[in-house]
Amino acid sequence: DAGITQSPRHKVTETGTPVTLRCHQTENHRYMYWYRQDPGHGLRLIHYSYGVKDTDKGEVSDGYSVSRSKTEDFLLTLESATSSQTSVYFCAISEGLQGSYEQYFGPGTRLTVT
Amino acid sequence: SQQGEEDPQALSIQEGENATMNCSYKTSINNLQWYRQNSGRGLVHLILIRSNEREKHSGRLRVTLDTSKKSSSLLITASRAADTASYFCAPDTGRRALTFGSGTRLQVQP
Repeated sequence: DAGITQSPRHKVTETGTPVTLRCHQTENHRYMYWYRQDPGHGLRLIHYSYGVKDTDKGEVSDGYSVSRSKTEDFLLTLESATSSQTSVYFCAISEGLQGSYEQYFGPGTRLTVT
Repeated sequence: SQQGEEDPQALSIQEGENATMNCSYKTSINNLQWYRQNSGRGLVHLILIRSNEREKHSGRLRVTLDTSKKSSSLLITASRAADTASYFCAPDTGRRALTFGSGTRLQVQP
């Protein structure tokens, strides 16, 4: 998985609790992304980062926040988890060279909110 | 929307047959990428075709791109059971992020 790890790989949490997912890369790529994947919806972009402390929203950012204090780590926080946030979350990285954003994906985190 | 739309949604073929998947998109692109996802795993980048290319090959994969029709196709020749996966196209507009559709689910019967 191209030097990308996600932790935890599985998590069960209760509605209303905060949850943080971590993505760690060893490739020194500038761009990092968080997606969620649900049946019938494909992958949807939550947030992405284009450098340390530089982030932008994706198409489904409500209820999520992100932080990137180091090149190698990109954190996704569910401020108050809801059952609708039960999903599989994927992190991806990209060098973004010459206007091309070829992405490499992590193994995913399966989150269940009860 | 910048995302590609794959067609068909599902495809079932016999081992040894060819599989063709199509992608349509709506915006101008720098390139178009195809990815594969095996069940329960992250996406894997397969091939990238630039906007000034019409066809590209990689092993058993053949990708075509028609920018005038805003469409692309992925052909997998001599399919194997191991090719069973979901396939996604991603139009790359150079805007830092890719968006993905729902993919084509390919089932190759042994």
